[in-house]
Amino acid sequence: SQTIHQWPATLVQPVGSPLSLECTVEGTSNPNLYWYRQAAGRGLQLLFYSVGIGQISSEVPQNLSASRPQDRQFILSSKKLLLSDSGFYLCAWSRGVKMNTEAFFGQGTRLTVV
Amino acid sequence: DAKTTQPPSMDCAEGRAANLPCNHSTISGNEYVYWYRQIHSQGPQYIIHGLKNNETNEMASLIITEDRKSSTLILPHATLRDTAVYYCIVRAARGADGLTFGKGTHLIIQP
Repeated sequence: SQTIHQWPATLVQPVGSPLSLECTVEGTSNPNLYWYRQAAGRGLQLLFYSVGIGQISSEVPQNLSASRPQDRQFILSSKKLLLSDSGFYLCAWSRGVKMNTEAFFGQGTRLTVV
Repeated sequence: DAKTTQPPSMDCAEGRAANLPCNHSTISGNEYVYWYRQIHSQGPQYIIHGLKNNETNEMASLIITEDRKSSTLILPHATLRDTAVYYCIVRAARGADGLTFGKGTHLIIQP
């Protein structure tokens, strides 16, 4: 069966520090991968998605970047965190082949920038 | 993706059927209706999806009107663990873009 791992579960970082959140998927190949953010009291917002290694699409301009160095690994990064980067970050995957199918989400990382 | 309209909140008694409505009057012919839910502080969970026909799985039933402009998610015997925010989303069959979440319906199951 397929599983998605996302870590860490919680993170407190000072303003201006770098960020690296990692997500890995097991039990499938060539998945579509996604990063979402949910700010406090707000809805889920798609940040990035990837249909293959090295292929990243950004949905909104922001202080973050994403990379996909391996087929089942998706990384969310920032060089210098802002207070506004605080939120609940979720990684998700869906089956590829350019078809929209159901997405499966990780348990999320709660990031607090202080 | 087409926009959806859902009531912001609903209450349902434990053991009763919970019926969550969703309006999607601008849905296109190639767009599916998906339902997800998010329990507090967890990642969203896929529930069910459909195109035209009614669908049922171990979690819920999805009823889509004949004109496809609205749908209803039915949780047949709601439990306290079904308390969550429920999202109705329409999306095209082809393409790998992500989900566009609205504000959803906060379903509260009362004991």
